[in-house]
Amino acid sequence: AQRVTQPEKLLSVFKGAPVELKCNYSYSGSPELFWYVQYSRQRLQLLLRHISRESIKGFTADLNKGETSFHLKKPFAQEEDSAMYYCALRGYSSASKIIFGSGTRLSIRP
Amino acid sequence: DVKVTQSSRYLVKRTGEKVFLECVQDMDHENMFWYRQDPGLGLRLIYFSYDVKMKEKGDIPEGYSVSREKKERFSLILESASTNQTSMYLCASSRGTEAFFGQGTRLTVV
Repeated sequence: AQRVTQPEKLLSVFKGAPVELKCNYSYSGSPELFWYVQYSRQRLQLLLRHISRESIKGFTADLNKGETSFHLKKPFAQEEDSAMYYCALRGYSSASKIIFGSGTRLSIRP
Repeated sequence: DVKVTQSSRYLVKRTGEKVFLECVQDMDHENMFWYRQDPGLGLRLIYFSYDVKMKEKGDIPEGYSVSREKKERFSLILESASTNQTSMYLCASSRGTEAFFGQGTRLTVV
């Protein structure tokens, strides 16, 4: 069964501190993994995907197939990072559904 | 710029009413999705469609149906609205990788 697990509902850190949002998944095969973000009063939007291996707004995420994890990290949190973050996966077929986790609310304290 | 437009931002309906939520995308995407977003539960997939007149059930299809008669339009139908369907509904479209989301419809069933 396809499943995405985000164990933390809320993560609160001080500005300048490192951030790690956890994501674990189960999928039979090799999925494509994503992080989406929803800022206050804005639409849900893509933050990054594992295949592009890039850093967006200082965030990175590494796919660990052995641990079936795709944790999101940032070395120094900024106040504008406060948002709701969702981990998601899809299969590689063009007609694959996209499954989301339950989300983690990141709150950055000044 | 991809646009996914949901017909209403807010809706209030009575128990037992038939409710239509409409979604239109302007980028010729094959895939379209309907999710409901609830605090602590994240985004749960109701239905998705990978082509005109083609649909697949998601994780929580009970009490819902969908219609996709044209490529750009994907409708979610609540056959007989109930109070437990009070939620934020999100529509999305994709060509296979990144999903683009609408602004959401907050439905309240009284």
